Amino acid sequence: AAGVIQSPRHLIKEKRETATLKCYPIPRHDTVYWYQQGPGQDPQFLISFYEKMQSDKGSIPDRFSAQQFSDYHSELNMSSLELGDSALYFCASSSGLAGGMNNEQFFGPGTRLTVL
Amino acid sequence: AQSVAQPEDQVKVAEGNPLTVKCTYSVSGNPYLFWYVQYPNRGLQFLLKYITGDNLVKGSYGFEAEFNKSQTSFHLKKPSALVSDSALYFCAVRSFAGTASKLTFGTGTRLQVTL
Repeated sequence: AAGVIQSPRHLIKEKRETATLKCYPIPRHDTVYWYQQGPGQDPQFLISFYEKMQSDKGSIPDRFSAQQFSDYHSELNMSSLELGDSALYFCASSSGLAGGMNNEQFFGPGTRLTVL
Repeated sequence: AQSVAQPEDQVKVAEGNPLTVKCTYSVSGNPYLFWYVQYPNRGLQFLLKYITGDNLVKGSYGFEAEFNKSQTSFHLKKPSALVSDSALYFCAVRSFAGTASKLTFGTGTRLQVTL
């Protein structure tokens, strides 16, 4: 079965550079979530999109932005990178509205971002 | 605010023995609870969920979880542990906002199964 695809899997950047992470949800999933997992930390919710509209926002820095495109893939844009941005970034997808209680989130393998 | 707590950073069990990974929750309204497992350098894999219905939920790889409303707990269990079960386990609660929902995770419990 198709899973959530994230690219790149690994990314190394310098401080103050920009980075773009991509997420391709499971086919027919219309909701995408982004999470950040710092070293030894639990995943923290950043932002989510439903039908190409932002649906919820968590602890996402103003330096970060994201969007969901017409094909439902999503991109997380990160600017002015800081050392503390080094983390594993997960994308997850699900189908349906929030009222779809049985719609668990399926996670991608993550993108490991290292900021030097 | 919805939250879950995993009181143990690490759990060690011998292969073949039963295992329990603890999780307690704090929610307003009905809880929607999940367990995920994370293997090294891998994404989060869904194990099981409690939405409503039977308090004993069965999931993937022989895992099950018992929802206890009076104790606000959702402990993960397996009757006989395998070395391959060694991984990081996260309990999570779903909260709804707008047109989607987000997961709030516990701090994780590292399970080590020894021979």
